[in-house]
Formats: sequence, structure tokens, C-alpha cells
Amino acid sequence: GDSVTQMEGPVTLSEEAFLTINCTYTATGYPSLFWYVQYPGEGLQLLLKATKADDKGSNKGFEATYRKETTSFHLEKGSVQVSDSAVYFCALSDNSGNTPLVFGKGTRLSVIA
Amino acid sequence: EAQVTQNPRYLITVTGKKLTVTCSQNMNHEYMSWYRQDPGLGLRQIYYSMNVEVTDKGDVPEGYKVSRKEKRNFPLILESPSPNQTSLYFCASSPGGGIYGYTFGSGTRLTVV
Repeated sequence: GDSVTQMEGPVTLSEEAFLTINCTYTATGYPSLFWYVQYPGEGLQLLLKATKADDKGSNKGFEATYRKETTSFHLEKGSVQVSDSAVYFCALSDNSGNTPLVFGKGTRLSVIA
Repeated sequence: EAQVTQNPRYLITVTGKKLTVTCSQNMNHEYMSWYRQDPGLGLRQIYYSMNVEVTDKGDVPEGYKVSRKEKRNFPLILESPSPNQTSLYFCASSPGGGIYGYTFGSGTRLTVV
């Protein structure tokens, strides 16, 4: 079945550092890919998405590019802030709409001032 | 405001005492889903529904029931809760799964003693 693998955390960075969280997937067909963020004590929020190969999703300074050749969707941000501290989940969904989101296990990011 | 509302936010109960966690969305979404989040395991889907009166099992349905009698509501029922159902539960909805992504509720932290 479909699966998502993302880098283990926790990741600790200083403010203004560059962030990369790796995500790779296994899927039959061509899924849509997502990054969700969970701030402490809250539910998941959609951060960005890409629905086809070479699409780049972006939001709040975060970016991720759908790479079909490497089955990857790595999350990047050029300069992190303390307010970016959260758990980040990579996920995929079959574009047929009949299958649910499949999540990675999450990566906890802590940004220190 | 477009949202998914879960109640209660926190619940402590005893083994075997039936409980219901409610979920309601105001976005006229077709798809609704329940997930549980556990440390080291990420999010796992319990049940999902693609329309009224249409429900199906996710990855971890044992010990849970759901119903979808109207589009906006998708309650999660634990007929006889056990301590291994202690978890953080999320309800989510989507216009059609796939490329649309999901909107999540704020979560229900359940403790079964």
C-alpha cells in the first residue's frame, strides 16, 4: 500500500537557520502530496500542497517541490522563526478520492532564539 | 468561519462506559474521517465516510463505530472503551478527498482508566 517516510526528529535549529525536512513516498499512480503543521495543543493545519509532478507548493515562507523521479516532497524554509516550532507531517492522497490521507510519523521542529 | 468542531476537547472515562465524540463541519464537505494520533505512530485512520450513509473502515477500526446520518455530522462511538484507546483523536473533512486536502478539528484527548 501507499506509504510516507519522513525524517525522524526532533530537529533543533537556531532562529534564521535554513530548514529541510525530508519526505519520500511510495504510491501506485500519481498522488497529491501535502505538508501539514501541528502547533502545540492544536489540530493539524494544511501548510502547502502539490498535485502533480514538478509542482511547487508554498506558504508562509515554506516550500516543497513534487519530485516524481525521486518520489520526494522535501519541506524547506530559508529562515526559520521561533514561531515555526511545531510538528510537521508529510502526507499523500490518491487522486481518485477513494482513499484517505496517508501520513508520515511527523517531525518535531524546535527553533531557539 | 469554516471549521470542523469536535466535542469534548478532553475526556476521562472508565473502562467499558460507552462514549460518543461528536464532530460537525459547516463547509458542506462530502468526505469526513476520524484519525487517532499516538506517540511514535503518527496519525492512523479509524473510519471514513465519502457521503451520507456511506462509511468504511480505515487502518485501525477495531473497537470503534461511526455513523453518517447527515452530511455535517460524523460521530465516533466507543461502545466499550479500553485503556488502549487512550489517544488524541482528530476529525477531518474534505470536499472530495484527493487533491483537495482535509480540514482538521482541534482534537479530543481521551483517557480511559
